[in-house]
Amino acid sequence: EAGVAQSPRYKIIEKRQSVAFWCNPISGHATLYWYQQILGQGPKLLIQFQNNGVVDDSQLPKDRFSAERLKGVDSTLKIQPAKLEDSAVYLCASSSRSGGGADNEQFFGPGTRLTVL
Amino acid sequence: AQSVTQPDIHITVSEGASLELRCNYSYGATPYLFWYVQSPGQGLQLLLKYFSGDTLVQGIKGFEAEFKRSQSSFNLRKPSVHWSDAAEYFCAVRHPNDYKLSFGAGTTVTVRA
Repeated sequence: EAGVAQSPRYKIIEKRQSVAFWCNPISGHATLYWYQQILGQGPKLLIQFQNNGVVDDSQLPKDRFSAERLKGVDSTLKIQPAKLEDSAVYLCASSSRSGGGADNEQFFGPGTRLTVL
Repeated sequence: AQSVTQPDIHITVSEGASLELRCNYSYGATPYLFWYVQSPGQGLQLLLKYFSGDTLVQGIKGFEAEFKRSQSSFNLRKPSVHWSDAAEYFCAVRHPNDYKLSFGAGTTVTVRA
């Protein structure tokens, strides 16, 4: 079974530029998550999708971050314009369904490391 | 407020020695508990998880963890580390009825020959 795919793996941009990250979840997984992992911290959830709808975007800085999952499969996370403090690893994860339960495991992709200069 | 604390930022251990990583949580109820490992350039891989029942859980790669309710702890152990265990380790919790994972800040493990 193929895992969660993300691209690009690394990105370096200057502040005020725009950047986009792509995620392809595990086939059949209805739920997709984007996390931000700043150096020295654990991952923090930015947004959760259930199919193509947003379940939770309470931690997403909506003035500069946006995300979409138009067909309920792939997802794109965009930052426009980027700030220095956006330097982080952006992780995508997927699970078979939303909600709790012991069997609802999240599977993580390798992440995109963003450096903002 | 919910929180996960990993007191040790960095641990150095000799190859073949034992390893213990500490995790404490503050939660209103007993949450589901997880340990993840993140090797350089890799995503998070689930090592083990605790939901209920036996408080000593076995995971992959020879790791185990023990849940101690009285201490609100879920410490990770490995009897004999290998050089390939050098990585960052994250403890995480979530409410049984919720999807949100709350992570600790992580512990970086260095293995010396």
